[in-house]
Order: sequence, then C-alpha cells, then structure tokens
Amino acid sequence: GESVGLHLPTLSVQEGDNSIINCAYSNSASDYFIWYKQESGKGPQFIIDIRSNMDKRQGQRVTVLLNKTVKHLSLQIAATQPGDSAVYFCAENSGGSNYKLTFGKGTLLTVNP
Amino acid sequence: NAGVMQNPRHLVRRRGQEARLRCSPMKGHSHVYWYRQLPEEGLKFMVYLQKENIIDESGMPKERFSAEFPKEGPSILRIQQVVRGDSAAYFCASSPEQGARNNEQFFGPGTRLTVL
Repeated sequence: GESVGLHLPTLSVQEGDNSIINCAYSNSASDYFIWYKQESGKGPQFIIDIRSNMDKRQGQRVTVLLNKTVKHLSLQIAATQPGDSAVYFCAENSGGSNYKLTFGKGTLLTVNP
Repeated sequence: NAGVMQNPRHLVRRRGQEARLRCSPMKGHSHVYWYRQLPEEGLKFMVYLQKENIIDESGMPKERFSAEFPKEGPSILRIQQVVRGDSAAYFCASSPEQGARNNEQFFGPGTRLTVL
C-alpha cells in the first residue's frame, strides 16, 4: 500500500546545530504535506506545511523542502534548541484528500545541551 | 480560545469491557477526526465526522468500533468488548471546515487506552 516513511528513526544533535529530518512519500497524488512535532504525552503540534506547487517554504527557524521528482520531504531546524527535542512526523493528505492525513512513523530528535 | 479537549487522558479497561473516549473540538470547529497511534508508530486515520454525520469511516474497524458527533455535546469514540490490541493512544483533531485554507487539523492531547 502507499505510505509515508522516514529514513532516520532517531537523530541526535548538539544545541545550536542545524537539524535535518527527512521523509519519503509514495503517493504521487498527494498535494499537501505537513510537519508535526509531538512531545511526550501530547498531541501532534503543527509546525509547517507546504503545497505541491512549491518546493520550499520557510517559517521561524524551520524550512520545509519538497522534491516531487524523488518524492522527498525534509524539515530543517536552524539553531536547534533543547525545546526542539520531540518526535517529528511528516504527513500527507492521502491522494489529494481534503481531510485524510497519512502519517509517517516519526523521527525522534534529541538535542544535547 | 481553548484547544481541542479530550477525556479521559488515561483509560484502563479489562478485556471485554467498553471504552468511551470523548472529544470536544475547538470553539467554532464543526469537523472532527479520530486517529489511533500505536507505540512508536505514526497516527492512523480512523474516522471523519461532521455534526450528526459520519463522512468517512474507512479507517475504523468494522466491528466493535463506532463514532458519533451529536448536535450537542462532544464527539464519542466507542470501543466495545475491548481486546489487548486496542491498547493505543487515540487522538482527536478538529478543523473549522473541510478544505480550509491550510487543511489544518488541530490535535487534542489524546486518550491513552490500556487494556489489561
């Protein structure tokens, strides 16, 4: 079946470094992608999104890159802080759905002080 | 403006009992979504509801699971005759409308169900 998956299950970085979390998706019909942050014991929190008509979008300290050719999505976090430690999920609107999100398995980001 | 609220936050049931999970969407939101998360997994879509209507339940098991979103009150996810495999975190999300500007779904804190 079609799915969204992540290359790295864990990532450990030093405080102040930049972090890059990668995600591969397989449903070429998906046209909306979201990154969520989930802290322990909490629900997913929206970070940033991007539509398929874009290849890059920037937020505050975060940048999402979309490469539709290879169906790859990445989240870049600049100057990573201890508060960024969490599990990060990429999600896609399944096959262009207006509401159904398909999540990847997640990457655990640990920021060392 | 309070966020999405879910209760209980933790629920323990013995095999064969019923579990009722409640979700109050954000104020002004009329669309509710339920997801299930197994340990170390991503969230899996279960069901999408609007007030008094089930729009899409394609991700929900055909037996033992049901969901509703009545005209008044919270949305309820009901699991009858629970089994150990039902142990998971159940998340509710809400949005103001389908196809809203960013399709953004706001998630609640989840209910962690443990079946003994």
